[in-house]
Formats: sequence, structure tokens, C-alpha cells
Amino acid sequence: AQKITQTQPGMFVQEKEAVTLDCTYDTSDQSYGLFWYKQPSSGEMIFLIYQGSYDEQNATEGRYSLNFQKARKSANLVISASQLGDSAMYFCAMRELPNQAGTALIFGKGTTLSVSS
Amino acid sequence: DVKVTQSSRYLVKRTGEKVFLECVQDMDHENMFWYRQDPGLGLRLIYFSYDVKMKEKGDIPEGYSVSREKKERFSLILESASTNQTSMYLCASRAPGQYNEQFFGPGTRLTVL
Repeated sequence: AQKITQTQPGMFVQEKEAVTLDCTYDTSDQSYGLFWYKQPSSGEMIFLIYQGSYDEQNATEGRYSLNFQKARKSANLVISASQLGDSAMYFCAMRELPNQAGTALIFGKGTTLSVSS
Repeated sequence: DVKVTQSSRYLVKRTGEKVFLECVQDMDHENMFWYRQDPGLGLRLIYFSYDVKMKEKGDIPEGYSVSREKKERFSLILESASTNQTSMYLCASRAPGQYNEQFFGPGTRLTVL
């Protein structure tokens, strides 16, 4: 079974609009971390935002916020006021047992976001 | 800033060749990772290492091996390259700890003919 599910292969949005990229996850652990990365066409992976499973507040970083709904096991990324430079592929990722040395991130398949003027 | 470098951005090899992909990080991170990225499949973990000379298999280790002789360097080895190993290979590193994100290298796009 997939650990991280991103159901939207592609999303299209106009500049200055807000957009939500969906992510659901599957884990039986109580302690885990959720991450979002951006990958522009140049290929580099850029870390955007982190949410810990015990964090009570939704994480925010500038125009990015994470809508964390623990009971639903969802961790949607919200981008406010989209910009042309936001066009990229976005990956949701999870780390289980975060206190264990060497645990790797598990990634979803990604969502391609296209922002038009 | 953390810097993760990979030896090549683009590489073309022939079937059956032994291929080395090198990754170096400059932040003294204990943990290092190799992923491959394919369209529609996202990033899949090949191997990771949490210390020098230590390695763990990821989800798709078949056809690959790794070497970590020094803390800053993590090598991915394709013993006998095959066409189905044509892919983008991404190296990452991070410090231990719950909150630490993984820092990625620029990737190596490998084509096996």
C-alpha cells in the first residue's frame, strides 16, 4: 500500500489565486514528520515546509501553509497568492519513527502545478 | 548553506558497464541517501547510510550497491548497467533529528543505451 498519496497529477491556477495540493498518508506510528518539497524544471529539490505529528498548530512558511488534519491523515499544502515562479512539481513526503537514526523520507508521486498569467 | 554535489549532471553509459555515481556533502551529515526519480513514480529510495561503512537497503536496491568509506561521500554503484536503470538519480543528506529536512544534490540523469 502506498504510504503517501497525491491524487492530483496536475493542477492549474491563475496568478494571485490560492491553490491546495492534496496529500494523504498512511502510518500506524504516533510520531512522524511530514514534508513538502518543490522541484522546478531545473531539477533541484527545494524544501518548503515541515509538520510534526505532535504539532498542534498548522505549519506556515511565508506563502506556504500546511493544512494538517491528523484524524484524516491528510497534510495538504496551501499556496496563497500564486506566482508564475510557483510552477513546478510538488512532492509530499513522510518520515516515520523520526527518532530512529537514518530513517529516510518516503515520497508521493508528485503533483505538477502550472501557474498562468 | 548545506551543499550536496553529484559528480555528473548527465551521464550516458552502455549496457553491461559498471557505473559509479558520486555524492559529496559538506555539512558533516551522518545520514545520506540515494533515490531514483521516474515520471509518474515519484522518488524511490535505493539505499541509505546512517554512518561511515553502514548501509541499509531501501525499497528498490536490486541491481545497485553503495559505498560509504568517508563521512562526506556516498557512492552508488551499478554493477552491470541495464536499460531499465535509465533514470534521474538524486542524492540527499541530513543531520539526525526529527525536524531535519533532507538536502538534495542537483541530480544525475543517467541514460543506459
